[in-house]
Amino acid sequence: DAGVIQSPRHEVTEMGQEVTLRCKPISGHNSLFWYRQTMMRGLELLIYFNNNVPIDDSGMPEDRFSAKMPNASFSTLKIQPSEPRDSAVYFCASSLYGARSGYTFGSGTRLTVV
Amino acid sequence: KQEVTQIPAALSVPEGENLVLNCSFTDSAIYNLQWFRQDPGKGLTSLLLIQSSQREQTSGRLNASLDKSSGRSTLYIAASQPGDSATYLCAALEEGFQKLVFGTGTRLLVSP
Repeated sequence: DAGVIQSPRHEVTEMGQEVTLRCKPISGHNSLFWYRQTMMRGLELLIYFNNNVPIDDSGMPEDRFSAKMPNASFSTLKIQPSEPRDSAVYFCASSLYGARSGYTFGSGTRLTVV
Repeated sequence: KQEVTQIPAALSVPEGENLVLNCSFTDSAIYNLQWFRQDPGKGLTSLLLIQSSQREQTSGRLNASLDKSSGRSTLYIAASQPGDSATYLCAALEEGFQKLVFGTGTRLLVSP
């Protein structure tokens, strides 16, 4: 099992540009979570999906952020337009039977917006 | 709203010491509590998961306990090694929800 796979590992972009982060969950996991980690705020849940359906997006900071899960093996988190304050590490995690069984995290995408 | 706190924020010990990391949560209505390890610039690695019906879990030199009534969990590391140096995060899963609420972590340094 390759685990949760995220791409790219690092992304540097200019303010105003569109950024797309990608995640492939563990095969068979039916829940997927997007987290953001910063020094100031720690780990924050942005959105999670159950069976490809968004369940709670209350953590998405603003309309510039959007997430999709077109199928069970792929999800994207998009920021448009990006701003310097979006600089953070974005983690994707997946789990079986919702989060009650524990999460497996990807290695993260370090985003820098200049 | 669930809040998770970890004390201390940082800990430095010599190799070989036994140590305890603390995690407290404000709402005792949780499904489970999970301990993670994060190395610098890396993702989170799950160490131990304790269901609400359990009191403790063990894996090698690690032992995690859970006391729901007092809103506390501890992670005990026996015979610490320099390779244990990392940030340790606890996270509580609230009943009725599907999201983990993370603590701010304890940064551990074990010196040879």
